[in-house]
Amino acid sequence: GQSLEQPSEVTAVEGAIVQINCTYQTSGFYGLSWYQQHDGGAPTFLSYNALDGLEETGRFSSFLSRSDSYGYLLLQELQMKDSASYFCACILDDKIIFGKGTRLHILP
Amino acid sequence: EAGVTQFPSHSVIEKGQTVTLRCDPISGHDNLYWYRRVMGKEIKFLLHFVKESKQDESGMPNNRFLAERTGGTYSTLKVQPAELEDSGVYFCASSQGHTDLTFGAGSRLTVL
Repeated sequence: GQSLEQPSEVTAVEGAIVQINCTYQTSGFYGLSWYQQHDGGAPTFLSYNALDGLEETGRFSSFLSRSDSYGYLLLQELQMKDSASYFCACILDDKIIFGKGTRLHILP
Repeated sequence: EAGVTQFPSHSVIEKGQTVTLRCDPISGHDNLYWYRRVMGKEIKFLLHFVKESKQDESGMPNNRFLAERTGGTYSTLKVQPAELEDSGVYFCASSQGHTDLTFGAGSRLTVL
């Protein structure tokens, strides 16, 4: 079957850096995306990696290693508004599948 | 540019009844997806339309669920008859390519 694994919860301190990992087992893989979802809201797109390496978008960076079937989302200079759930998503041949999400708690 | 619109935002029905959820994607987006999220669990893929064609419907749980996208514009997802386990938030998302989806606000379904 096809699956994505990510930690259920991560806690970090305001101003710090946090990394959320994602491993996947899929076929027909094209790339890995990350989405943010605040409580009661809709998931919103953060980043996409098709090739190995690091993609940087402001305070957020995303990494992909296709050979390891692994990626991560790096959040820097954490702010309280970053408290949310973060989902990795695999882009496959005919669909996009999501992991179970990582709940990020930020302490002041 | 208008976003992805879903209706209703919340529906409460009794087991055995029928509910139809509607999604209006962003104009010009050929790809339309339906997902369901049950609290604490993954955003579960249901199906993917490209224009009016079902590209992949492997996530549809059973034949009580019927999705349509007539004319390649808006889409409907009908649940008939609804069961307790169908409760959750149903998200619709659209995209032009495959890399970034724009999600609607979701339709929360509660089956009593």
